[in-house]
Amino acid sequence: EAGVAQSPRYKIIEKRQSVAFWCNPISGHATLYWYQQILGQGPKLLIQFQNNGVVDDSQLPKDRFSAERLKGVDSTLKIQPAKLEDSAVYLCASSPVANYGYTFGSGTRLTVV
Amino acid sequence: QQQVKQSPQSLIVQKGGISIINCAYENTAFDYFPWYQQFPGKGPALLIAIRPDVSEKKEGRFTISFNKSAKQFSLHIMDSQPGDSATYFCAASKGSNYQLIWGAGTKLIIKP
Repeated sequence: EAGVAQSPRYKIIEKRQSVAFWCNPISGHATLYWYQQILGQGPKLLIQFQNNGVVDDSQLPKDRFSAERLKGVDSTLKIQPAKLEDSAVYLCASSPVANYGYTFGSGTRLTVV
Repeated sequence: QQQVKQSPQSLIVQKGGISIINCAYENTAFDYFPWYQQFPGKGPALLIAIRPDVSEKKEGRFTISFNKSAKQFSLHIMDSQPGDSATYFCAASKGSNYQLIWGAGTKLIIKP
């Protein structure tokens, strides 16, 4: 079974620029999550999709972050404009159904300078 | 009440020793308690998980001990090996939406 694919692996941008991350979940997984992990901290949920609908985006800074999951498969997370404090690893995860262990991708490390 | 408090922040253990990481929670509605292992440059991977109807779960060298009355759970790694060096996260969740509440992580170093 292929894992959760994310790209790019690394990204360096200047503050106020925009950036997008891509995630391809495990085939058949209905639930997709985007997490932000700041160095030395646990992951923080940004948004959760069930198929192509949003289940929870309460911690997504909607003035600058946006995410979509077209056709209930791939997902993109965008930041516009980026701030220095957005420097973090952005992790995508997917799970087949609720109440079951999910699989993380390797993440995208974003550095905002 | 949504927090999961994890300790210690870092831990150094000699090879062959027992590594113990502790977590505490407040919300009695939590009903799922997983532990994740994260290596540098990788996403967290599920290591072992427990539900509150049991007090202990063992998988190989990894054991979760759960104390419902104290609202605490811990991870024990027996015969710790250098390959166990990683960051470990405890987490908790409730309900069917499965949103995990994460601890802050413990960086474990096993000295050869």
